[in-house]
Amino acid sequence: DGGITQSPKYLFRKEGQNVTLSCEQNLNHDAMYWYRQDPGQGLRLIYYSQIVNDFQKGDIAEGYSVSREKKESFPLTVTSAQKNPTAFYLCASKQNRAAPGGYTFGSGTRLTVV
Amino acid sequence: GQQVMQIPQYQHVQEGEDFTTYCNSSTTLSNIQWYKQRPGGHPVFLIQLVKSGEVKKQKRLTFQFGEAKKNSSLHITATQTTDVGTYFCAGGRGGSNYKLTFGKGTLLTVNP
Repeated sequence: DGGITQSPKYLFRKEGQNVTLSCEQNLNHDAMYWYRQDPGQGLRLIYYSQIVNDFQKGDIAEGYSVSREKKESFPLTVTSAQKNPTAFYLCASKQNRAAPGGYTFGSGTRLTVV
Repeated sequence: GQQVMQIPQYQHVQEGEDFTTYCNSSTTLSNIQWYKQRPGGHPVFLIQLVKSGEVKKQKRLTFQFGEAKKNSSLHITATQTTDVGTYFCAGGRGGSNYKLTFGKGTLLTVNP
């Protein structure tokens, strides 16, 4: 079955450490996105990529970095510069910018700073 | 920037009662999407509305897009316990939906 795989499901980070969240899709989608979800909040866009080797900042990109070296993969690094990283992180993909329909989401990574 | 407001934030109903959540944008949208997130789960795409005044139905769910393309609603008839979850609207601008703005969602709980 095609889909998006996020790993790990739960991640604990010490303050001052960088961590990388994995997102892999086998849907052959061009566009990929990273969202952050906090309790009682909507989804806020961190970064997005429309094509390999290209990505743009979203609304809350500070303290995060991404890469898009392969179509299937869009890893997110949460750096020590992110002041409040504890959150639920969701990766999503879409066939391409112009295609109708919605996003396909992964099952998420819950990051906790200890 | 664009804002998408969603009300109510919470709604508790008895099984069999109807439920409606409303979404309002500060700007005109090119399209609006609705997602459902079960407790502990991830958002799942339900539907996309594109045309002014559009109404779409999925079984007990009815989705509307306002004439001005700035508001939308989701109505569930005769709720069931399987309807429990958070319903999000997400607005797209500029003829593409590659960058959506999500509302904060409405959490629906259903008492059996």
